[in-house]
Amino acid sequence: DGGITQSPKYLFRKEGQNVTLSCEQNLNHDAMYWYRQDPGQGLRLIYYSQIVNDFQKGDIAEGYSVSREKKESFPLTVTSAQKNPTAFYLCASTPGQGKYQPQHFGDGTRLSIL
Amino acid sequence: AQSVAQPEDQVNVAEGNPLTVKCTYSVSGNPYLFWYVQYPNRGLQFLLKYITGDNLVKGSYGFEAEFNKSQTSFHLKKPSALVSDSALYFCAVRHSYNTDKLIFGTGTRLQVFP
Repeated sequence: DGGITQSPKYLFRKEGQNVTLSCEQNLNHDAMYWYRQDPGQGLRLIYYSQIVNDFQKGDIAEGYSVSREKKESFPLTVTSAQKNPTAFYLCASTPGQGKYQPQHFGDGTRLSIL
Repeated sequence: AQSVAQPEDQVNVAEGNPLTVKCTYSVSGNPYLFWYVQYPNRGLQFLLKYITGDNLVKGSYGFEAEFNKSQTSFHLKKPSALVSDSALYFCAVRHSYNTDKLIFGTGTRLQVFP
């Protein structure tokens, strides 16, 4: 079955540590996205990428970094500069020019501070 | 400013009764609207979308949504609620100028009681 795989499902970060969240898709979609979900705030866009080796900042990019070296992979690094990283992180993708297309979501990674 | 509002944090309905989850939007130009559902610790699942055409859109699991341009609304409806419909529902609209971006509402928790 085609879909988006996020790993790990749960992740714990120590103070001063960088952690990387994995997102892999086998849908052959061009565009990929990272969102942060906090209770009562809906989804906020962190970064997105329309094509390999290119990505753009979303609304809350500070303290995060991404790479897009392969079409199927879009890992997110939560750096030590992100002072409040505890949240549910969702990865999504759309095919090509996705203006009319819904985004497909993975099942998320829940990040907590130790 | 581009925005989506879901005015109810929670909607309670008895099983078998009709349900409505409200959504209003503010965008420039033609709106491209989406509804998603989220079950606990899972990603978002696409329910339906409005791009153009008939104002009543039918989607997955018996859900439908009514687009009202004059009221800038896109309410989600179902004629007969099921306990299994209990979940978090998100309305989203495509950003007018940066069409790669979706703007999400804050979500409405639907609770269906037996």
